[in-house]
Amino acid sequence: SQTIHQWPATLVQPVGSPLSLECTVEGTSNPNLYWYRQAAGRGLQLLFYSVGIGQISSEVPQNLSASRPQDRQFILSSKKLLLSDSGFYLCAWSVLREPGELFFGEGSRLTVL
Amino acid sequence: AQKVTQAQTEISVVEKEDVTLDCVYETRDTTYYLFWYKQPPSGELVFLIRRNSFDEQNEISGRYSWNFQKSTSSFNFTITASQVVDSAVYFCLLTQGGSEKLVFGKGTKLTVNP
Repeated sequence: SQTIHQWPATLVQPVGSPLSLECTVEGTSNPNLYWYRQAAGRGLQLLFYSVGIGQISSEVPQNLSASRPQDRQFILSSKKLLLSDSGFYLCAWSVLREPGELFFGEGSRLTVL
Repeated sequence: AQKVTQAQTEISVVEKEDVTLDCVYETRDTTYYLFWYKQPPSGELVFLIRRNSFDEQNEISGRYSWNFQKSTSSFNFTITASQVVDSAVYFCLLTQGGSEKLVFGKGTKLTVNP
């Protein structure tokens, strides 16, 4: 069966420090991968999505970046965190034949101080 | 433009009560998909249901039921005989295209008290 993992689960970082959140999927090949952010107030915002290795689409201009070095690995990064980057980050995957049916990871809670 | 409105920000009920979560959507497309997701306190989002715009049959799954009405652009979710474990934030979603085009509602926080 397919599983998705992301880590770390919790992160407290100072402003200006770098960030790396990692997400891996098991049990499926060539998934579409997504990074969402859920800020205070519960809204979900799509940050990046990827349909293949090295293919990244950005939905929101910001100081975050994403990379997909392997088929089932998706990394969210920042060189210098801002206070506004605090939030709950969710990685998700889907397959093309099932539009909108996303499978989410456990989430990573980032607090920038 | 596509839009999803969940007018109820928070709902609180007592266990065993029935509760309906409202979802109203806007789209100009004739082909689209609607979804409900559940986000328990642990944080991960769990897929509950998908309906396409050509299938207006209501669906029941255990204590959960969904009422899709194209005439009112609504896709409401009812939990019968609610339980404490139903406490979560519930999101209604809409897409015309792929998953990257998903439009989320702001969510309804449901609290079921014992």
